[in-house]
Amino acid sequence: DADVTQTPRNRITKTGKRIMLECSQTKGHDRMYWYRQDPGLGLRLIYYSFDVKDINKGEISDGYSVSRQAQAKFSLSLESAIPNQTALYFCATSDLQGARGEQFFGPGTRLTVL
Amino acid sequence: AQSVTQLGSHVSVSEGALVLLRCNYSSSVPPYLFWYVQYPNQGLQLLLKYTSAATLVKGINGFEAEFKKSETSFHLTKPSAHMSDAAEYFCAVSDGGGATNKLIFGTGTLLAVQP
Repeated sequence: DADVTQTPRNRITKTGKRIMLECSQTKGHDRMYWYRQDPGLGLRLIYYSFDVKDINKGEISDGYSVSRQAQAKFSLSLESAIPNQTALYFCATSDLQGARGEQFFGPGTRLTVL
Repeated sequence: AQSVTQLGSHVSVSEGALVLLRCNYSSSVPPYLFWYVQYPNQGLQLLLKYTSAATLVKGINGFEAEFKKSETSFHLTKPSAHMSDAAEYFCAVSDGGGATNKLIFGTGTLLAVQP
């Protein structure tokens, strides 16, 4: 089984709908991250969490919220989706004691907002 | 603030030719540097990493990268390209477990390998 899983893998929704993307990990890592990938822009950090009581905004958090339900679960919500949130979303994890920032990525969720 | 610049959004090489993907970084602290690869319809996979040990770093699938502080570069190379190397490659910099341990990514280089 994959260490970092994301659900759903693909989602098409309409403008104004609330969407939740879920991430689960079995690596036992403390730190979890949400990124979005857009062509030509690379990956940009949306939110990150160092433990269940610690949530931090990344560089592009507007229009998004997150919930760290447990050490292993980190969800990303779009309260009212808009077309420019169409992107590929990745969850990642890292170990506080690990190799200096190395992160492990899930397979991604492709979100389309019509 | 840290940043990464990848020169060339698209690189095309012939099978068997040298692969060179360029990455320059900016960092106010000793950087930790990474190359990730993304195959079509997949997530990112770590190719190699520099964490202040040897400046020449060897990774998976025959790739290597050399950290050059004087040039603020961490270019990725492979002596002989294979068709299976076609993918998008991302360079990233971290503050190495400092205050945030965040990764800052470059914009990516799409590598095409021609038969």
